[in-house]
Amino acid sequence: GESVGLHLPTLSVQEGDNSIINCAYSNSASDYFIWYKQESGKGPQFIIDIRSNMDKRQGQRVTVLLNKTVKHLSLQIAATQPGDSAVYFCAEVPTGTSYGKLTFGQGTILTVHP
Amino acid sequence: DGGITQSPKYLFRKEGQNVTLSCEQNLNHDAMYWYRQDPGQGLRLIYYSQIVNDFQKGDIAEGYSVSREKKESFPLTVTSAQKNPTAFYLCASSIVPLAGRNEQFFGPGTRLTVL
Repeated sequence: GESVGLHLPTLSVQEGDNSIINCAYSNSASDYFIWYKQESGKGPQFIIDIRSNMDKRQGQRVTVLLNKTVKHLSLQIAATQPGDSAVYFCAEVPTGTSYGKLTFGQGTILTVHP
Repeated sequence: DGGITQSPKYLFRKEGQNVTLSCEQNLNHDAMYWYRQDPGQGLRLIYYSQIVNDFQKGDIAEGYSVSREKKESFPLTVTSAQKNPTAFYLCASSIVPLAGRNEQFFGPGTRLTVL
């Protein structure tokens, strides 16, 4: 079946650097995407979302880019801090699926070194 | 954790026993969800409910049951029929999604270990 996946399972960066986490999706009918951050032993926290009619959306220190041509989603974190260390998941809502059916990717482990 | 509480945080059970995980939300959300997370894996949907007294199976409902008698509560029972129940269980809630948007708010999770 169609699924959301991640290119890189782990990412290590130095404090202050910018981080880019990637996500490839195969369902071209998806119309809504979310990035979540999950710290160890905790539930995921919403970071930012984007609709399929947008290419870019910015939040505080985070930017999500959507490239529908190649079905690619990325999360950019500016000036990465040690507190950003976590697992990051992308999730999609395919058009026509039942409400609430987010499909999650495998996740990327981000480690920020001081 | 966004007004969603799960209890207990850690739960141990013997093989063959049923166990119920609690999930309560005070966000006045209509929709609630249960996910299972295994080590190094993403989240998989077990059950979801869009309204009181109604719920739907997710992708991995076998061996689980739920009820939705109250808007704020969505307990999950892990039955003895679930062959590999050891996992991290996450509850979430949201408004009923409109136009594809579905921001879900998650609880802190319950880690279930079968001895």
